[in-house]
Amino acid sequence: QLHLQESGPGLVKPSETLSLTCIVSGGSISSSSYYWGWIRQPPGKGLEWIGNIYYSGSTNYNPSLKSRLTISVDTSKSQFSLNLSSVIAADTAVYYCAKAGGFRRATDYWGQGILVTVSS
Amino acid sequence: EIVLTQSPGTLSLSPGERATLSCRASQIISSSYLAWYQQKPGQAPRLLIYGASSRATGIPDRFSGSGSGTDFTLTISRLEPEDFAVYYCQHYGSSPQTFGQGTKVEIK
Repeated sequence: QLHLQESGPGLVKPSETLSLTCIVSGGSISSSSYYWGWIRQPPGKGLEWIGNIYYSGSTNYNPSLKSRLTISVDTSKSQFSLNLSSVIAADTAVYYCAKAGGFRRATDYWGQGILVTVSS
Repeated sequence: EIVLTQSPGTLSLSPGERATLSCRASQIISSSYLAWYQQKPGQAPRLLIYGASSRATGIPDRFSGSGSGTDFTLTISRLEPEDFAVYYCQHYGSSPQTFGQGTKVEIK
């Protein structure tokens, strides 16, 4: 059974970089066709797609975040990462890592989520 | 960017009743790329329906999806106590993927 687990700091200061890692277990991060992504949810609000990555390193980003966003993958460690720079209070959210069955496929596995608060 | 608008915002129903949730897209989309998710408090979303009408693995058959073009529907035929939650539709056929704002199904 595939398992995704987010890790990273729960508190980030404004203007700094938010960095999260998702460790994938119970399956191969290098499986052909799978896409690994990030989705966030501000407290009490809806879901926002951040972006995704293929094991080869090919990425797709939400244009609203693209200028501040980097998603990377490390297949040797079976993990992928999110870096969001110059954060502001509006970036406070629960961040989920997730897996889609392929390009243009629904998201079928989710991590439990990690709350990241942007505050001084 | 495709905007998804869900209605109603809140649906108050009793166990055993039928729930009908709507998701309207800002432009015509392929039904191949429309999904529905269920989210309970403190939990990650769970995939219910993909391709507008295909149930995900392990999803009970009281959940069904339909629709095409710009109008899509999630139907729960008879609400069970565990079905009271928030439901989101999602378009995943182009970037950026987008979600509706959610419909809360609450106990009447």
